[in-house]
Amino acid sequence: NAGVTQTPKFQVLKTGQSMTLQCAQDMNHNSMYWYRQDPGMGLRLIYYSASEGTTDKGEVPNGYNVSRLNKREFSLRLESAAPSQTSVYFCASSERDRELFFGEGSRLTVL
Amino acid sequence: GESVGLHLPTLSVQEGDNSIINCAYSNSASDYFIWYKQESGKGPQFIIDIRSNMDKRQGQRVTVLLNKTVKHLSLQIAATQPGDSAVYFCPERGSYIPTFGRGTSLIVHP
Repeated sequence: NAGVTQTPKFQVLKTGQSMTLQCAQDMNHNSMYWYRQDPGMGLRLIYYSASEGTTDKGEVPNGYNVSRLNKREFSLRLESAAPSQTSVYFCASSERDRELFFGEGSRLTVL
Repeated sequence: GESVGLHLPTLSVQEGDNSIINCAYSNSASDYFIWYKQESGKGPQFIIDIRSNMDKRQGQRVTVLLNKTVKHLSLQIAATQPGDSAVYFCPERGSYIPTFGRGTSLIVHP
């Protein structure tokens, strides 16, 4: 049982480059989330998807787009990366108001 | 300001001591609370939860206390071990979307 799988685990980009972070869960959860974590800032919600076919902005959505490809997969795209987007990104899934299951994180550096 | 307030960003304890991590919440309608533990280099993981119809819930070496009158939660860890060193979160859930604060960093000294 893999839980929540994120790829890639590490990525270095140059300013202006684009990339997509992939996330997949095998727990049949309806809700999926993308958070970013910066030192001293805790976890901040970027986007979430309450169910397949829906996505909503979180606290810090600027510079990001998401796609809920199907019930299992929720991707996060940076169209034009900026140094301020250097962070650790966590994908999570849950069933309605139950506990969140997190992936191991994707560490992104934008030069 | 943050809807989730943690009284101490860092808590240092000696191995074997009991640890108490506190958390305040703002939404009096909140009816379900979860504590998460995040070890270095990993994603947060569920530790224990409590419903608002309970005042206390015990797990293995951990106890969560809920005081709805003052909107306060605490996580008690008995006989703290080096493996308990981590950041602990008690996210507030608004409209089913959890809002995480900075967390409390627990440092266990041998």
